[in-house]
Amino acid sequence: QVHLQESGPGLVKPSETLSLICTVSGDSMTFYYWAWIRQPAGKGLEWIGRIYGSGSTNYSPSLKRRVTMSVDTSKKQFSLKLTSVTAADTAFYYCARESYDSSGYYHDYWGQGTLVTVSS
Amino acid sequence: QSVLTQPPSASGTPGQRVTISCSGSNSSIGTNTFDWYQQLPGKAPKLLIYANDQRPSGVPDRFSGSKSGTSASLAISGLHSEDEADYHCASWDDSLNGSPWVFGGGTKLTVL
Repeated sequence: QVHLQESGPGLVKPSETLSLICTVSGDSMTFYYWAWIRQPAGKGLEWIGRIYGSGSTNYSPSLKRRVTMSVDTSKKQFSLKLTSVTAADTAFYYCARESYDSSGYYHDYWGQGTLVTVSS
Repeated sequence: QSVLTQPPSASGTPGQRVTISCSGSNSSIGTNTFDWYQQLPGKAPKLLIYANDQRPSGVPDRFSGSKSGTSASLAISGLHSEDEADYHCASWDDSLNGSPWVFGGGTKLTVL
C-alpha cells in the first residue's frame, strides 16, 4: 500500500517562501509523476505541478514563476517551494501520485494534506 | 485557459440516483479522459472514477462515469447517506506546455 505524508511549517509570513516535503512509502518513486495540489478552505482543487522520478518537472502556468519542485528518490521524498507568498496562497496542500495505464492518467494516492497559512 | 465547470451543489434522497456534470471549456481539454474524486468532509480526495468510466478496486458499482464530447458525468445510484461529500472532476489540457491538470470547482452533494 502506497502512503504519502506531507510535512512542513503551518505558518509562513507574507513575501517569504513556502516549503513542503512529501515522504513516500510502499513503492518506488522512479516510474511515476509526483504532484502537488492545493485547496483553499471551502474551494476547489488547484494543480500546482508535478515531478517525475527522474526529476523532470511541469508547473501550472499561473504559478510557474514562483514554483520549484525537486525529488530525492534515495530518501523517497519530493518537495515544493513556493516563493513570494501572499494570503492567497493560504490553503490545504496535498501531495499525490500520478499513475497511468492503458486507459489514462489519474491521481491514485494522496497524502492527508497539510494546512499552510500565510500571515504575519 | 481551460476550465472545467461543475454545478456547485446537488442533492438527493437515500436510494435515489443523482448525476453530476463536468463541462470542458474547449476541445483541447475535452479530447482527454476525465477522472472523478470523492472528498469526504475533512478528508483528502480519493480517486473514484478514472479514464471516464473505470472504477478503481474497492469502489462500489453504484458509482459510474461517462463522457460525451467535451463533458463528463458522474452518476451515483442507490444513494447512501455516506455518499454526502464533495465531488471533483479533473482532466488535463494538452494544448499547453507540460499538459497541466485542470480540476472542476467541485460539487457538494447533500443526502437529504
